[in-house]
Amino acid sequence: EAGVAQSPRYKIIEKRQSVAFWCNPISGHATLYWYQQILGQGPKLLIQFQNNGVVDDSQLPKDRFSAERLKGVDSTLKIQPAKLEDSAVYLCASSVTLQNTEAFFGQGTRLTVV
Amino acid sequence: AQSVTQLGSHVSVSEGALVLLRCNYSSSVPPYLFWYVQYPNQGLQLLLKYTTGATLVKGINGFEAEFKKSETSFHLTKPSAHMSDAAEYFCAVSEGTGFQKLVFGTGTRLLVSP
Repeated sequence: EAGVAQSPRYKIIEKRQSVAFWCNPISGHATLYWYQQILGQGPKLLIQFQNNGVVDDSQLPKDRFSAERLKGVDSTLKIQPAKLEDSAVYLCASSVTLQNTEAFFGQGTRLTVV
Repeated sequence: AQSVTQLGSHVSVSEGALVLLRCNYSSSVPPYLFWYVQYPNQGLQLLLKYTTGATLVKGINGFEAEFKKSETSFHLTKPSAHMSDAAEYFCAVSEGTGFQKLVFGTGTRLLVSP
């Protein structure tokens, strides 16, 4: 079974530029998560989708971050404009459903903002 | 709000020695608790979880953890460390009744020396 795929693996941009990350969850997984992991910290949930609907985006900085999952499968996370403090690993995860099912994580995209 | 405290950002053990990684949680509801492992440049992998029932939980790779409500703890142990156990370990608590909205600790890096 293929795992959660993320691209790109690494990205370096200058501050105030825009960037987008892509995630392809495990086939059949209805729930998709985006986490931000800053160096030295644990992952923090940014947004959670159930199919193509947002379940929780309370920790997403909506002035600069946006995410979509238009067809309930792939998802993109965008930052516009980027700040230095956005440097982090962005992890995508998926699970079969919201309740009591394990979330499987991708390898992440490491973003460096200079 | 739920929170997790992991004592010790780094733990060093010799190969064959006992591994003990500490985790204390704060939760206003009966918690769902998790331990994840992260190898370099990889996503997170679930080691074990506590939901309800037996307080001693066994996971993969010989790890286990015990839920102690009176101490609000969920420490991770392994009787004999192996070189391949060297990784970062994250304790997490769910804000719901499943895997959704996990709140992670800051992680403990386990170093294993020959």
